[in-house]
Amino acid sequence: QKEVEQDPGPLSVPEGAIVSLNCTYSNSAFQYFMWYRQYSRKGPELLMYTYSSGNKEDGRFTAQVDKSSKYISLFIRDSQPSDSATYLCAMSRTGGGNKLTFGTGTQLKVEL
Amino acid sequence: EAEVAQSPRYKITEKSQAVAFWCDPISGHATLYWYRQILGQGPELLVQFQDESVVDDSQLPKDRFSAERLKGVDSTLKIQPAELGDSAMYLCASSLTQVSGANVLTFGAGSRLTVL
Repeated sequence: QKEVEQDPGPLSVPEGAIVSLNCTYSNSAFQYFMWYRQYSRKGPELLMYTYSSGNKEDGRFTAQVDKSSKYISLFIRDSQPSDSATYLCAMSRTGGGNKLTFGTGTQLKVEL
Repeated sequence: EAEVAQSPRYKITEKSQAVAFWCDPISGHATLYWYRQILGQGPELLVQFQDESVVDDSQLPKDRFSAERLKGVDSTLKIQPAELGDSAMYLCASSLTQVSGANVLTFGAGSRLTVL
């Protein structure tokens, strides 16, 4: 079993929809949680960063962490075609040397 | 905006040949990472440097892969001989330090390897 599980999709939604992306994890030592966006044939770019449990909002994006359930989410409001990409969750633990453990990524397509 | 530079962007090679990838991290970033991303999967760490020293190469197939960061700045990842299963995107990333938490990783655009 992988430490981080993520539904690979693909997920197809109409423009303007609210998108929910999720990851579950098994290692309770993870403290830092990130969402990266990766466009086709490009490297991942950091979208959201959260420490421990709670919510963080940045424009149309909201990241949620529920450590008790070992579950993290990324919500995208008013989705746009430019949001079409693969979304990777990643996490690390204190003392882990900043090593990231990634999910497999969810492929999202926002259609006009 | 500072970027992590990687080259080549694309490399096609035949199995048993040698290949090399180069990475120039963001200026001042002491920690450099090489990740491998197989199509449809998330990136997996191959090797991590702190300055010129390797701090984690537990997932690096050392019989065929080598990595160096001689002066603690740019880095080279080499595969010799390449195998069909090495076809993947090789991503370089850097961060200010290796302390978990505030030191987010910035990734380069990647080097896509196809082994025929």
